[in-house]
Amino acid sequence: DSGVTQTPKHLITATGQRVTLRCSPRSGDLSVYWYQQSLDQGLQFLIQYYNGEERAKGNILERFSAQQFPDLHSELNLSSLELGDSALYFCASSVGWGSNTEAFFGQGTRLTVV
Amino acid sequence: QKEVEQDPGPLSVPEGAIVSLNCTYSNSAFQYFMWYRQYSRKGPELLMYTYSSGNKEDGRFTAQVDKSSKYISLFIRDSQPSDSATYLCAMSARVTGTYKYIFGTGTRLKVLA
Repeated sequence: DSGVTQTPKHLITATGQRVTLRCSPRSGDLSVYWYQQSLDQGLQFLIQYYNGEERAKGNILERFSAQQFPDLHSELNLSSLELGDSALYFCASSVGWGSNTEAFFGQGTRLTVV
Repeated sequence: QKEVEQDPGPLSVPEGAIVSLNCTYSNSAFQYFMWYRQYSRKGPELLMYTYSSGNKEDGRFTAQVDKSSKYISLFIRDSQPSDSATYLCAMSARVTGTYKYIFGTGTRLKVLA
């Protein structure tokens, strides 16, 4: 167990809908990262927050947004969902923000868009 | 061309073999190099990270970085069936005040008992 908690584990929703994925980082970690993993694209970095502030942005679609709350948990919001958004979404956390040398991953949320 | 290239495998080896997993990259700005292991339907688990060129050893695992050739490797000695997983290389670079994180697509390894 990495100490990073993601909910829900599975999510099935229809195209055009909006969903929210939640992540609780390890105790003491201030950075949260979101990744998308699909079969054809591999693991893609979406966005990073450190202590509530956005620190790095990857290939995140405009339909997607994230935030980190004062208690350090983070939420990834996915809207106007398309079939191609079906993937595993991982959250990771680390103490610092400079690099993810020791980032610990959660077990992921499997999103299926039908 | 992808910034990080990794052979997807699958790679099948007998138990006890030495396994060599490799990634090449094109961006010389990458500073940190990591290897993750991912079991099916689980989150990636950090195995090793390195900052400089050279070798770093941890138990049966050795990470090797050659920045001049833009090539990184992970060696697994005395491979075990429990090592069967997908291995992802990853690297990060500081880019104008922020950071960039790139993962390889992963190499699927199967160690046969």
